[in-house]
Amino acid sequence: KQEVTQIPAALSVPEGENLVLNCSFTDSAIYNLQWFRQDPGKGLTSLLLIQSSQREQTSGRLNASLDKSSGRSTLYIAASQPGDSATYLCAVSSSQNTGFQKLVFGTGTRLLVSP
Amino acid sequence: GAGVSQSPSNKVTEKGKDVELRCDPISGHTALYWYRQRLGQGLEFLIYFQGNSAPDKSGLPSDRFSAERTGESVSTLTIQRTQQEDSAVYLCASSLAGVTSYEQYFGPGTRLTVT
Repeated sequence: KQEVTQIPAALSVPEGENLVLNCSFTDSAIYNLQWFRQDPGKGLTSLLLIQSSQREQTSGRLNASLDKSSGRSTLYIAASQPGDSATYLCAVSSSQNTGFQKLVFGTGTRLLVSP
Repeated sequence: GAGVSQSPSNKVTEKGKDVELRCDPISGHTALYWYRQRLGQGLEFLIYFQGNSAPDKSGLPSDRFSAERTGESVSTLTIQRTQQEDSAVYLCASSLAGVTSYEQYFGPGTRLTVT
């Protein structure tokens, strides 16, 4: 059974710092990995999607890497801003032959960026 | 264009009552997913619809949970005889198709509280 773990559970940093969020998964046979952002009272917003054949994806100040063989992904946020404060979720698509993209989520990292 | 919408945004119900939660997916998205997020836990997959195919109900936690979808449009998640452990945020997502390369777009969720 696929399990996804995110470390740290919470992180508080001053504005301007670069930071790294970690995600690990137990079954390396995944189709893709996604990073989401969740704001209180709102749904999830997809940030980056990395296909299993890719090593990284970049969008603005965000960079996500994937090491499928070791079951790890990192989300790098450069020059953090107070508006980055949110919960960041990592999800992998199941390797089971389900015929669809069944996502398994981690419990998230709650980020607070103070001005 | 319009994103995924869900209603109600909040629902408080007494233990033992039935509730219906609604999801309107993005127009043209054939795949629809329901997830549950209990406090302090990651999102759990509940059910998946793809077009007119039989749904994948493998994530439903008990026979008190059921869901329907009319063609490729609205879906309702029904919980019968609610229990306190059903208290959670219920999230709906849709994607162009169920294949692994498509991102899932999430609605804002329905926060269900069972008293």
